[in-house]
Amino acid sequence: AAGVIQSPRHLIKEKRETATLKCYPIPRHDTVYWYQQGPGQDPQFLISFYEKMQSDKGSIPDRFSAQQFSDYHSELNMSSLELGDSALYFCASSSRLVPEAFFGQGTRLTVV
Amino acid sequence: QKEVEQDPGPLSVPEGAIVSLNCTYSNSAFQYFMWYRQYSRKGPELLMYTYSSGNKEDGRFTAQVDKSSKYISLFIRDSQPSDSATYLCAMSANSGYALNFGKGTSLLVTP
Repeated sequence: AAGVIQSPRHLIKEKRETATLKCYPIPRHDTVYWYQQGPGQDPQFLISFYEKMQSDKGSIPDRFSAQQFSDYHSELNMSSLELGDSALYFCASSSRLVPEAFFGQGTRLTVV
Repeated sequence: QKEVEQDPGPLSVPEGAIVSLNCTYSNSAFQYFMWYRQYSRKGPELLMYTYSSGNKEDGRFTAQVDKSSKYISLFIRDSQPSDSATYLCAMSANSGYALNFGKGTSLLVTP
């Protein structure tokens, strides 16, 4: 069965650079979520989209933005990167009819 | 204080043991409950999903929800070394809402 696809899997950026993470949800899922997971931490919710509209906002820094496109893939844009942004970034998707959320394998971002 | 509390462990058990993992929560609006397994540096893998109170069984895994006590459990029977991972409970108030995670319990099953 198709799963949530994230790219890239690994990303190394320097401070103050920008990064773009991509997420391709499971087909026919209408909701996409972005989470950040620091070392030894649980996933922290950043932002979500339902049918291409922002549906909920968590602890997402103002330096970050995200959107969902007409083909339902989503991108997380991160600017003015800081060392503290180094983390695993997960995308998850679900359907309002079947609310289980499935996660991708994540993007490991390292800011140096 | 987090809305979802989970003992981080680590929990070490011998192969074949029954494992009990638990979470408590404070938000009575939560009605969707999930358990995820996460291997190091991998994405959380959905194990069990339960709506409202009750029990659900899937193979060696049983999930229990007691909304009156705001307490959920995951039982693993005949534990295997391959079950060694971090187990995260997660819950939300409505379908499509962001999940609130526990801190995760680190489980080690020794041969």
